[in-house]
Amino acid sequence: DTEVTQTPKHLVMGMTNKKSLKCEQHMGHRAMYWYKQKAKKPPELMFVYSYEKLSINESVPSRFSPECPNSSLLNLHLHALQPEDSALYLCASSHPEEGRKYFGPGTRLLVL
Amino acid sequence: QKEVEQNSGPLSVPEGAIASLNCTYSDRVSQSFFWYRQYSGKSPELIMSIYSNGDKEDGRFTAQLNKASQYVSLLIRDSQPSDSATYLCAVNMGLIYNQGGKLIFGQGTELSVKP
Repeated sequence: DTEVTQTPKHLVMGMTNKKSLKCEQHMGHRAMYWYKQKAKKPPELMFVYSYEKLSINESVPSRFSPECPNSSLLNLHLHALQPEDSALYLCASSHPEEGRKYFGPGTRLLVL
Repeated sequence: QKEVEQNSGPLSVPEGAIASLNCTYSDRVSQSFFWYRQYSGKSPELIMSIYSNGDKEDGRFTAQLNKASQYVSLLIRDSQPSDSATYLCAVNMGLIYNQGGKLIFGQGTELSVKP
């Protein structure tokens, strides 16, 4: 299995809602990542988990809360988001000692 | 200076021509470099990785790396309309052993291959 999967594909939420994005991989990768991509811009790193521990947080607002419950799963919990948080949220995975990162299809988020 | 810089494009080439995409990076200690292709509305797809100076060829794609000049390029030979996409140069920075590292992207170059 050489795939990173993400659910849901699309999400619309209000500013008072709580929702979660999910990511799963079965490639045996022990590093997982969340990226945010706005239209016509490159992906921007949000969080890095290595061996299920948070290793990098790129000064992301606390309304985004990552969680890595096991080596295959990565969640991003969303609460009290703003309309400017609307974007494509990408999950990626890799071996921690390698640079090659494999991306999932993304979740397209719209905050109303 | 941005950490990873690319020609903003758009770059338009006729079908069958060679498309040349360029990228420079600022971190001298970076060791791994990648090219991703991203179709509109889709996620980035890894197409080339290069780690040492020189050329690396894979089918119609050739990646070139010059660490002294902090320069990475991608050549696409015999360009096809299906190659029309945004090409993202990415550099893995700050790779601390067993901590995943930060993959930093350039702004991307939009390539259009005209039939």
